[in-house]
Amino acid sequence: SQKIEQNSEALNIQEGKTATLTCNYTNYSPAYLQWYRQDPGRGPVFLLLIRENEKEKRKERLKVTFDTTLKQSLFHITASQPADSATYLCALHAGGTSYGKLTFGQGTILTVHP
Amino acid sequence: DAEITQSPRHKITETGRQVTLACHQTWNHNNMFWYRQDLGHGLRLIHYSYGVHDTNKGEVSDGYSVSRSNTEDLPLTLESAASSQTSVYFCASSEGRYGTATETQYFGPGTRLLVL
Repeated sequence: SQKIEQNSEALNIQEGKTATLTCNYTNYSPAYLQWYRQDPGRGPVFLLLIRENEKEKRKERLKVTFDTTLKQSLFHITASQPADSATYLCALHAGGTSYGKLTFGQGTILTVHP
Repeated sequence: DAEITQSPRHKITETGRQVTLACHQTWNHNNMFWYRQDLGHGLRLIHYSYGVHDTNKGEVSDGYSVSRSNTEDLPLTLESAASSQTSVYFCASSEGRYGTATETQYFGPGTRLLVL
């Protein structure tokens, strides 16, 4: 069956360090993958999208990689700040008849300590 | 500014009652989605719609129904609420042009539902 795993439920890092979050999937051939941020009591907010033919995408301090051979995406936050503390969700779009539908991982709770 | 709103934000109901959660978006998006979020399960798709009068079942659709009579609204109805439906419910929308960044979903603030 199809499965998406975000390897850490929680990640604690010191301010200024790089946070690296992992999203692994099985039995998928995703057309693209997205990362969302969710703050407590709020809905997820889109951060980045990477397509199957792209290896890397950047946006300010954020970087996403996508390795379709390893079936893995890595999400990096460089120079992390306490304000980056949130839950981060990866989401896959399977393509084809799954038009518009996303399947979400369980999320990783990131805490950045001052 | 365009937005997506949900109401109520919090709801307490009793087992067996019918409950309707509202979702309204002003993005003029074709696609709308309902998810539930529970600890240990992440976001799971309940129902979705690609346009007016179109509805489709997601992975956890039992006990829920939706209808789409206009572009802006996709109400979610729990026909006979059960304690297992205690959850946080999120509505989302997307513009829905396949293969472009507009597949991004925009989420509402959520409705916290408690079924006693």
